[in-house]
Amino acid sequence: GAVVSQHPSWVICKSGTSVKIECRSLDFQATTMFWYRQFPKQSLMLMATSNEGSKATYEQGVEKDKFLINHASLTLSTLTVTSAHPEDSSFYICSAALLGGGETQYFGPGTRLLVL
Amino acid sequence: AQSVAQPEDQVNVAEGNPLTVKCTYSVSGNPYLFWYVQYPNRGLQFLLKYITGDNLVKGSYGFEAEFNKSQTSFHLKKPSALVSDSALYFCAVRDIASGGYNKLIFGAGTRLAVHP
Repeated sequence: GAVVSQHPSWVICKSGTSVKIECRSLDFQATTMFWYRQFPKQSLMLMATSNEGSKATYEQGVEKDKFLINHASLTLSTLTVTSAHPEDSSFYICSAALLGGGETQYFGPGTRLLVL
Repeated sequence: AQSVAQPEDQVNVAEGNPLTVKCTYSVSGNPYLFWYVQYPNRGLQFLLKYITGDNLVKGSYGFEAEFNKSQTSFHLKKPSALVSDSALYFCAVRDIASGGYNKLIFGAGTRLAVHP
């Protein structure tokens, strides 16, 4: 149980285009979904937290207009990287917390983005 | 602010030997502590957590962790390492963000290499 999927698993795009990444909780409902960014050989950095039906909460230093987050249902959150640039190339990982389960986050497999 | 520290970038151990991956924490209040494992180009997998109760927590794949309040530590252990345990291990602590939701603060990660 507690499986989280991400799509796509990797994407290559041209500079200036937008990329959408989906995060789905497959067998549970998620109160909250989280979006992280991980640079090579580094830890995860929380970008934002999304709650179903409300605006995402962004961490300090993360541009909300650059990284658009939509949490349309209790099983789906999307991250759109708008007008992507090479410096946006990274490994993006989402996680989800069980409805009523609180503390434990279950992570997706990640999406590797390469912006040319 | 809540934080965790993983003092070792890498731990090397021979297959069959016991392994320890260290984590220390700094929190205000009672700590909620977690261990996750990440395999190459994958998301994080939940191993175990400590919230309250017994100081020795048993988790997935034969791993366990010992909560030590006096030493503010939460070291991950396994009695007999397998080559397949080679991966990147993250310690994390729960924090409460301004929006009231739970979020995780991750350590820098420790790479475990188990040699045949």
